[in-house]
Order: sequence, then structure tokens, then C-alpha cells
Amino acid sequence: QQQVKQSIVQKGGISIINCAYENTAFDYFPWYQQFPGKGPALLIAIRPDVSEKKEGRFTISFNKSAKQFSLHIMDSQPGDSATYFCAASRRTDKLIFGTGTRLQVFP
Amino acid sequence: EPEVTQTPSHQVTQMGQEVILRCVPISNHLYFYWYRQILGQKVEFLVSFYNNEISEKSEIFDDQFSVERPDGSNFTLKIRSTKLEDSAMYFCASRVRGFTDTQYFGPGTRLTVL
Repeated sequence: QQQVKQSIVQKGGISIINCAYENTAFDYFPWYQQFPGKGPALLIAIRPDVSEKKEGRFTISFNKSAKQFSLHIMDSQPGDSATYFCAASRRTDKLIFGTGTRLQVFP
Repeated sequence: EPEVTQTPSHQVTQMGQEVILRCVPISNHLYFYWYRQILGQKVEFLVSFYNNEISEKSEIFDDQFSVERPDGSNFTLKIRSTKLEDSAMYFCASRVRGFTDTQYFGPGTRLTVL
């Protein structure tokens, strides 16, 4: 019930990383970006009371009934090449991370 | 911008030795965490700490591990007798009390056990 699973779809300049969770008690869903040799850095996060949140080229979409949420990276650039981790938690609880998705964007 | 700092950046030790990993969380934060990441794998929760006591710990965090906040700024993770499988990147994170749930991560300490 604590697992969080990731998968990726790339189409044109858009990268979509999907995340599926099991525990319906989760109520906070962040995406972290990690460059080699660095710690994870929060990219964008969403709560289940909204279905979508956009910050610049990054959008989270959330599907509560399917227990899935996705990170959309529009106009993917070489500087976006990093490992992306979805995570889930309850408000005051530990982060449960997904397996991570390594994104490589070539010029 | 305030950030979480960790020292050392890389620690090499012999199996069976004790190590202490140090973290300085962001100054107004009240919740503290340790996570670890074995090379190429996902980030795993070890322990959370609030109000000078452990809030939660994972099954990884056995009797060989301990945490301490010895003063108002440092947060330490001690491994009493290191094993080869303790080799990993260890991340400290902190969170402010309030309406935000963002955990801010430090750059990590790479622990290599020989």
C-alpha cells in the first residue's frame, strides 16, 4: 500500500511522467527533480482537491479516482535532463518516493 | 535563499566503524528527516524527528542507527557499526511547521563502507 510507481511517455517536445499510488490516505503529491550528485529539489506539488496545477513549463495533473498523477514537461530542453521522482505523503508524514525516471533531452 | 547543508560530502569508512553524518537544517524549520538512496535506486525514508524525539522510523532504521539534535542548529545521524550495505547517499531534509509541506533536501553525504 506504500508503493508509488512511475512510467514515462515522450511525444514531440512534451514529456509526461506518470505516477500511480495505492494508499488512498495520501493527500500530498510532490515531484522532485534531481541532478547528478545533488539532493532532490521540489519542482511542483499538488493536493487532491485540485485536478491540475501549472508552474511555467511544468504541469501536474491529478486523477483521484484512478489514483494517478502525472508531470507534464512542455517544450522539453536539454537543461531538463535529470531524474524525476514522484512522491506521496500525508501532510505530516514521510515522503514515499517513486522509483525515479531518468529524463534525457537532446538538443 | 536558505538551504539545508550537510557535511561531509563524502565519507569513506571501514566496516564496523562508527560514522556521524551532520546536517544543518533551515533555521526556522521544526521537522527533520533522514533519507537514503542506494546508487541507482529510489530515495528511501529512514527517520523523522520533531520536538527532540523520533516521530517515525522505517524498518531500515534499526538499533545501529540513531539521531540527535545536539544543539539548536545541527541534526546528526549516527551509524554505530557500519556494514557494506550501508553504502549509500544520505540526505537530510527539513520542513517548516505551518501550511506548507515542502521538504527541503540537503546535497547529501555519500557514505562508502569498505
